[in-house]
Amino acid sequence: KQEVTQIPAALSVPEGENLVLNCSFTDSAIYNLQWFRQDPGKGLTSLLLIQSSQREQTSGRLNASLDKSSGRSTLYIAASQPGDSATYLCAVFTGTASKLTFGTGTRLQVTL
Amino acid sequence: GAGVSQSPSNKVTEKGKDVELRCDPISGHTALYWYRQRLGQGLEFLIYFQGNSAPDKSGLPSDRFSAERTGESVSTLTIQRTQQEDSAVYLCASSLIGQETQYFGPGTRLLVL
Repeated sequence: KQEVTQIPAALSVPEGENLVLNCSFTDSAIYNLQWFRQDPGKGLTSLLLIQSSQREQTSGRLNASLDKSSGRSTLYIAASQPGDSATYLCAVFTGTASKLTFGTGTRLQVTL
Repeated sequence: GAGVSQSPSNKVTEKGKDVELRCDPISGHTALYWYRQRLGQGLEFLIYFQGNSAPDKSGLPSDRFSAERTGESVSTLTIQRTQQEDSAVYLCASSLIGQETQYFGPGTRLLVL
């Protein structure tokens, strides 16, 4: 059974700092890995999707890496802004499974 | 274009009542998913529809839960004889095809008193 863990559970940084969020998964036979952000009271917004054959994906100030063999992914946020404050979720599609398995998220607060 | 929409946005019901939640996926998306998020917990998969194939119901927690989808359109999630532990946010997502980027609706917040 696939299990996804995210650390830290919560993080507070001052504006402008670069930061890294971590995600680990137990079954390396993944099809892809996705990062989402969730704002309070709202649904999830897809940030990046990395196929199992890829090592990283970039979108603006976000960079996600994937090391499938070690079961790890990181989300790097450059020059953080208060608007980045949200919960960040990592999720994986495993093999032929038809569903995403989610981590419990990292709650990020970027302070002025 | 329009995203995934869900209704109602909030629902308060009494224990033992039935509730029906609705999801309108993005037009043209063949895959549709339902998830549940209890307070302070991660998202739990409930059910997955892909086109006209038989749905994957492996995440439904009990036989009180059921879902339907007609073709590639609207889906409804029904919870019969609601219990307090059913209180959660129910999220719907759709994707162009299975295993690709999922687009989520805003969710339905269900409170069972």
